[in-house]
Amino acid sequence: AQKITQTQPGMFVQEKEAVTLDCTYDTSDQSYGLFWYKQPSSGEMIFLIYQGSYDEQNATEGRYSLNFQKARKSANLVISASQLGDSAMYFCAMREPPTKTSYDKVIFGPGTSLSVIP
Amino acid sequence: DTGVSQDPRHKITKRGQNVTFRCDPISEHNRLYWYRQTLGQGPEFLTYFQNEAQLEKSRLLSDRFSAERPKGSFSTLEIQRTEQGDSAMYLCASSPGLAYTFGSGTRLTVV
Repeated sequence: AQKITQTQPGMFVQEKEAVTLDCTYDTSDQSYGLFWYKQPSSGEMIFLIYQGSYDEQNATEGRYSLNFQKARKSANLVISASQLGDSAMYFCAMREPPTKTSYDKVIFGPGTSLSVIP
Repeated sequence: DTGVSQDPRHKITKRGQNVTFRCDPISEHNRLYWYRQTLGQGPEFLTYFQNEAQLEKSRLLSDRFSAERPKGSFSTLEIQRTEQGDSAMYLCASSPGLAYTFGSGTRLTVV
């Protein structure tokens, strides 16, 4: 079953505008972590922002903020003042705690392609 | 450069050949992960090392795949008897415990 859902395969945003990339997740654990990564055309995955499940405040890192709604199991990424260099794939990811049969690891969603229009 | 290094960046091989990829993690990171990413998809977990111990392998990893991390430093991922379905980006990541730092990946094309 898909644990991370990103319903927007592609998004367009005008330069200097804000954009929200959606992410919903599925877990029965109480302790987990949520990440967003950026992947430009060069291929490298770049860590953007992290939110722990027990964090009461939404995480912010510069122009990135994570809109965390725990009851809805959503962790949307908001990018303010978009720049041309923000054009890339964006992946939502979740870290689950270890189980009897699995160590903790990060699992990724299918991604959203963001294009910033000048 | 203190990031994660992967070599080679690109590899084209004929079906049936063996290939080996190398990953040099950030030196103080004890955790190392391999992921595979196909076009238009997110990365999929392949295997996990803590120091030199391989603690978990995904069911995606067939018997043709083997990974090592001797002495808990660099890691290698070998694919034997490559198939066209093995064509993908192979990403290595290291971590001290929370966020991962990824390398630039090795893009494998099997022809």
